[in-house]
Amino acid sequence: AQRVTQPEKLLSVFKGAPVELKCNYSYSGSPELFWYVQYSRQRLQLLLRHISRESIKGFTADLNKGETSFHLKKPFAQEEDSAMYYCALLFGNEKLTFGTGTRLTIIP
Amino acid sequence: EAGVAQSPRYKIIEKRQSVAFWCNPISGHATLYWYQQILGQGPKLLIQFQNNGVVDDSQLPKDRFSAERLKGVDSTLKIQPAKLEDSAVYLCASSPRGSLGEQYFGPGTRLTVT
Repeated sequence: AQRVTQPEKLLSVFKGAPVELKCNYSYSGSPELFWYVQYSRQRLQLLLRHISRESIKGFTADLNKGETSFHLKKPFAQEEDSAMYYCALLFGNEKLTFGTGTRLTIIP
Repeated sequence: EAGVAQSPRYKIIEKRQSVAFWCNPISGHATLYWYQQILGQGPKLLIQFQNNGVVDDSQLPKDRFSAERLKGVDSTLKIQPAKLEDSAVYLCASSPRGSLGEQYFGPGTRLTVT
């Protein structure tokens, strides 16, 4: 069965420091992974997907099939990055399985 | 474009009562999802519609939950009777055909069962 694991419920990082939010997955098929973000008082929204290999708001994520990971990284944290981040795995007919989320707090 | 709309935003009911949630997806989006998000957890898919047909409802507790999407547009999710463990945020999302996982979420309905 498909599963997404985000081992850190909470992560605090100083402004300007690097950020890494961890995500591991288990899936027997070919994985397609996403990061969704929810800022305070806003809706859950797509941040980035691995197939597009793009950088959004300075964030990147590389799919590592050997380690079954899809960690989200940013070299220099900004205060506006404080939010709840969810890793998600696409399976079946356009269905998403979400991890439990990591609350990122950027310390000024 | 207008986003996914949901109502009500908040609802407090007593256990064994019934409740209904409404969702209006983004115009033209063929696929509609209902998720349940319990505090401290990620969203869990309850049911997925493609137009007005059910694609997946394997995680919907069918003894108490029901959902419909008449005419392939708006959708309602009903709980009858509610239990304490149904307290959660209920999220509606929609996606265009072939979205490859890009889903657009509504603001959610926070349900408290007392």
